[in-house]
Amino acid sequence: GAGVSQSPRYKVAKRGQDVALRCDPISGHVSLFWYQQALGQGPEFLTYFQNEAQLDKSGLPSDRFFAERPEGSVSTLKIQRTQQEDSAVYLCASSLERLPNEQFFGPGTRLTVL
Amino acid sequence: KQEVTQIPAALSVPEGENLVLNCSFTDSAIYNLQWFRQDPGKGLTSLLLIQSSQREQTSGRLNASLDKSSGRSTLYIAASQPGDSATYLCAVTSGTYKYIFGTGTRLKVLA
Repeated sequence: GAGVSQSPRYKVAKRGQDVALRCDPISGHVSLFWYQQALGQGPEFLTYFQNEAQLDKSGLPSDRFFAERPEGSVSTLKIQRTQQEDSAVYLCASSLERLPNEQFFGPGTRLTVL
Repeated sequence: KQEVTQIPAALSVPEGENLVLNCSFTDSAIYNLQWFRQDPGKGLTSLLLIQSSQREQTSGRLNASLDKSSGRSTLYIAASQPGDSATYLCAVTSGTYKYIFGTGTRLKVLA
């Protein structure tokens, strides 16, 4: 596709439910990033993939958060046993592995945990 | 640890005014600085990217400057329009890959 796409765009979950958020990066982009944006804040880094390898997951807030990119293209961010503090917009970005390493962002998934 | 601050947090101006948004960062060893626009409920739209070797970038009515030594960047918007109303975010990357974002400036341009 022409840009990064994410689905679903909106997700409402009851506390304790598991959710899965999908990201389709720009074709050919090696790097993929997940960010979390709380209301009124700037996005914060969660995790980074280079192809299928997860090279950095230092931003994942707890072991309830898990991300994968098994074939080096589509990525899924999974949140288990959701809690109210997980409510946020989850942004995905991708980039080429060459200068200037500009990241291109998707529209985000707005997660609301009731 | 890199920290990014944006001032002001909110700004309201009449249509036609020129305005400046500020971004400061604590670690001058950055690789890129990028300005984004975010409309309510939407994702991030890239406006300008400045590499560390550059001092400014221009696109239409937008001009972004970078002063690494002082840890500052400014986004200049000329002849503002109501359609410019949005939240403006700056982000830096320090040679690693992840962006560190500021909290944004919410701009409202009044018709």
